[in-house]
Amino acid sequence: EAGVTQSPTHLIKTRGQQATLRCSPISGHTSVYWYQQALGLGLQFLLWYDEGEERNRGNFPPRFSGRQFPNYSSELNVNALELEDSALYLCASSSRDRVDNVLTFGAGSRLTVL
Amino acid sequence: AQSVTQLGSHVSVSEGALVLLRCNYSSSVPPYLFWYVQYPNQGLQLLLKYTSAATLVKGINGFEAEFKKSETSFHLTKPSAHMSDAAEYFCAVTSRGSARQLTFGSGTQLTVLP
Repeated sequence: EAGVTQSPTHLIKTRGQQATLRCSPISGHTSVYWYQQALGLGLQFLLWYDEGEERNRGNFPPRFSGRQFPNYSSELNVNALELEDSALYLCASSSRDRVDNVLTFGAGSRLTVL
Repeated sequence: AQSVTQLGSHVSVSEGALVLLRCNYSSSVPPYLFWYVQYPNQGLQLLLKYTSAATLVKGINGFEAEFKKSETSFHLTKPSAHMSDAAEYFCAVTSRGSARQLTFGSGTQLTVLP
């Protein structure tokens, strides 16, 4: 069974540009979560998508947005990049049928903003 | 609201010694608790989970954790550390009926000394 896959592995952008990160969940999982792991700040919840809808959002500005496609893959967009957006962005998926909501994580996309 | 506190951002043990990583949680409803491990340049891997069955939970790689409601704790232990255990460990909490995203602690970096 293929795990959660993320692309690109690394991305380098400059301030003010836009970044797009992609995530494919485990087959059969309908929920996708995005987390930001910035140096010294731990894992911060960004967004939760399920069945194509945004279900919850963390404490991030509106320039962080995303969507979920009919095949349950997801895209995270970061507009007007700032230096502090440099981080590892982790995607995770889960099945809505699981009451314990175990998340399976991808390897992450490392975004560097210069 | 729910939160997790991990005591000690860095823990060093000698190979063969006991590993003890501390986690205390706060939740207004019965929680689900998790320990994840992150090896360098990788995503997070589930070590073990507590979902209100047995209070002593066994996980992969010889790790276990005990849920203590009276102490609101979920400490992670391993009787004998191995060099391959060197990684960052995250405790996480979610609750039934919550927004379903996990709330993570700030992480504990485990170093294993030869």
